Amino acid sequence: EAGVVQSPRYKIIEKKQPVAFWCNPISGHNTLYWYRQNLGQGPELLIRYENEEAVDDSQLPKDRFSAERLKGVDSTLKIQPAELGDSAVYLCASSLRGAGAYNEQFFGPGTRLTVL
Amino acid sequence: GQQVMQIPQYQHVQEGEDFTTYCNSSTTLSNIQWYKQRPGGHPVFLIQLVKSGEVKKQKRLTFQFGEAKKNSSLHITATQTTDVGTYFCAGREGGKLIFGQGTELSVKP
Repeated sequence: EAGVVQSPRYKIIEKKQPVAFWCNPISGHNTLYWYRQNLGQGPELLIRYENEEAVDDSQLPKDRFSAERLKGVDSTLKIQPAELGDSAVYLCASSLRGAGAYNEQFFGPGTRLTVL
Repeated sequence: GQQVMQIPQYQHVQEGEDFTTYCNSSTTLSNIQWYKQRPGGHPVFLIQLVKSGEVKKQKRLTFQFGEAKKNSSLHITATQTTDVGTYFCAGREGGKLIFGQGTELSVKP
């Protein structure tokens, strides 16, 4: 079974440019997460989807970040415009459901973003 | 909000030595998960603990959940070079996980 797929794996952009990340979760997983991981830190949740609905976006900087999960499968995360401090690894994860007690999260390989 | 702290931040051991990382939460956790991230890789789920005082073992790895459900530990017996990586605990708050900052383990052969 394929794991969580993310693209691109690496992205280098100049500040003020837009950037988008794509995620395809494991088939059948209703819950999708976007995390940001800074160097030497643990993943920090940006947004969580249950099917098409964003049920927790409290940590998403809404002035420049946006996300969507059309049809409850693939998801995109966008930053516009990017700032130097956005340089990080953006991880997508999925799980069978969000509210259950036994819902390990499966992470994708991540997109390493460098903003110059 | 909930905070999850891990210590130590780094641990360097000689192959064959034991290793322990500790995780502490500012609030009572419903459950806690542990993940391992190899250098350049992504977090991979290891285990979930739910019950107060729970102890689980996976070969050389022993996971404990405190009686008050506010702390947890991971102990590796006789480390091997394949154990290299960063170990994260993650406590559950509502529907989301709050990750600690991780303990980076390096093993000298």
